[in-house]
Amino acid sequence: GDSVTQMEGPVTLSEEAFLTINCTYTATGYPSLFWYVQYPGEGLQLLLKATKADDKGSNKGFEATYRKETTSFHLEKGSVQVSDSAVYFCALVDAGNMLTFGGGTRLMVKP
Amino acid sequence: GAGVSQSPSNKVTEKGKDVELRCDPISGHTALYWYRQSLGQGLEFLIYFQGNSAPDKSGLPSDRFSAERTGGSVSTLTIQRTQQEDSAVYLCASSLQGVLNEQFFGPGTRLTVL
Repeated sequence: GDSVTQMEGPVTLSEEAFLTINCTYTATGYPSLFWYVQYPGEGLQLLLKATKADDKGSNKGFEATYRKETTSFHLEKGSVQVSDSAVYFCALVDAGNMLTFGGGTRLMVKP
Repeated sequence: GAGVSQSPSNKVTEKGKDVELRCDPISGHTALYWYRQSLGQGLEFLIYFQGNSAPDKSGLPSDRFSAERTGGSVSTLTIQRTQQEDSAVYLCASSLQGVLNEQFFGPGTRLTVL
């Protein structure tokens, strides 16, 4: 079956540091890939997505590129802020309609 | 406009009792999904509705779990004879028809089974 693996947290960074959260996937078909974010006390929100190989999703300074050859969709941001502190989930949609999520990575940004 | 709403926001129940969780999707969204978020299990898919029918029930963990959707809108997730391992946050999401349409999530219902 489909699966998503992402780096375990927590990831603790200082403000303005560079962020990478690794995500790799296994899928039987040709999935679409997503990053969702869950801010403290809030629901899941879509951060960005990519639907085909070499697509780059971007939003709020975050980027991720769909790499079919390495089955990866790593999340990056050049300069994190305290307000980016949240839990980040990598996910895919394959043949079915439901999202398959990774385990989540908690990011803590210190001022 | 209004997002996905869920009720109750918190539910504490005793082992063996039945519970009903409600989801109001975004108006016009034909697809509705239930997920469960628990410690140690992460986010798990439970069931998916397209209109009032559920083509994919593969994620329901046992026959104590059931869900229905009426009028292509409100959905209810029912857990019978609750067990402590059912404690989790139950999330509902809705989307326009189509695999790639963004799923919008509700705030969740936190279920605690004592």
